[in-house]
Amino acid sequence: AQTVTQSQPEMSVQEAETVTLSCTYDTSESDYYLFWYKQPPSRQMILVIRQEAYKQQNATENRFSVNFQKAAKSFSLKISDSQLGDAAMYFCAYRSYSGGATNKLIFGTGTLLAVQP
Amino acid sequence: DVKVTQSSRYLVKRTGEKVFLECVQDMDHENMFWYRQDPGLGLRLIYFSYDVKMKEKGDIPEGYSVSREKKERFSLILESASTNQTSMYLCASSPRDRELYNEQFFGPGTRLTVL
Repeated sequence: AQTVTQSQPEMSVQEAETVTLSCTYDTSESDYYLFWYKQPPSRQMILVIRQEAYKQQNATENRFSVNFQKAAKSFSLKISDSQLGDAAMYFCAYRSYSGGATNKLIFGTGTLLAVQP
Repeated sequence: DVKVTQSSRYLVKRTGEKVFLECVQDMDHENMFWYRQDPGLGLRLIYFSYDVKMKEKGDIPEGYSVSREKKERFSLILESASTNQTSMYLCASSPRDRELYNEQFFGPGTRLTVL
């Protein structure tokens, strides 16, 4: 069975600085998707960024980028120029490519990011 | 914009009560999911449904059941609520098409307290 591990329960970053959130996963599959979701306080969870395992190029969405190391089974999220609105719980998630159309996600335990002004 | 709504943001129930949590999505998605979120445990899948009247157990289905009579609505039922079911419950939906990466869209959550 696949597992997702986020070893940093809490992180803190100064406004305008860069922070990296860690995620590792365990799988025997070669094709899969990885995601980072953001859950702001008292607000709905939204997708931040996704990565297909067959793509070597790291995904980027504006100030958010990932460092995907397939051999190491590592999928870290880098937030550049941190803003107060980035403060949230961040979840790493895995989805098997062979999971069919039902796309079950396996989530990590989350990292709570605080942004200091 | 995709909208997933949940019937209550906060709910307080007594042990032994039957509890219904409702979720509605407006994007004609085939897949719908119920998760519970607990500190230090992340999100855990309770049940999911890939079509009307179809359901499958997730990782922690014990003590829960679900109903999907219409495509847009997915209900989570606690037959006899217990204190260990105090948690945040999140509903999500997604299209079936794999090529759309199957992004899941989440509702705002229902914080359930069982006394």
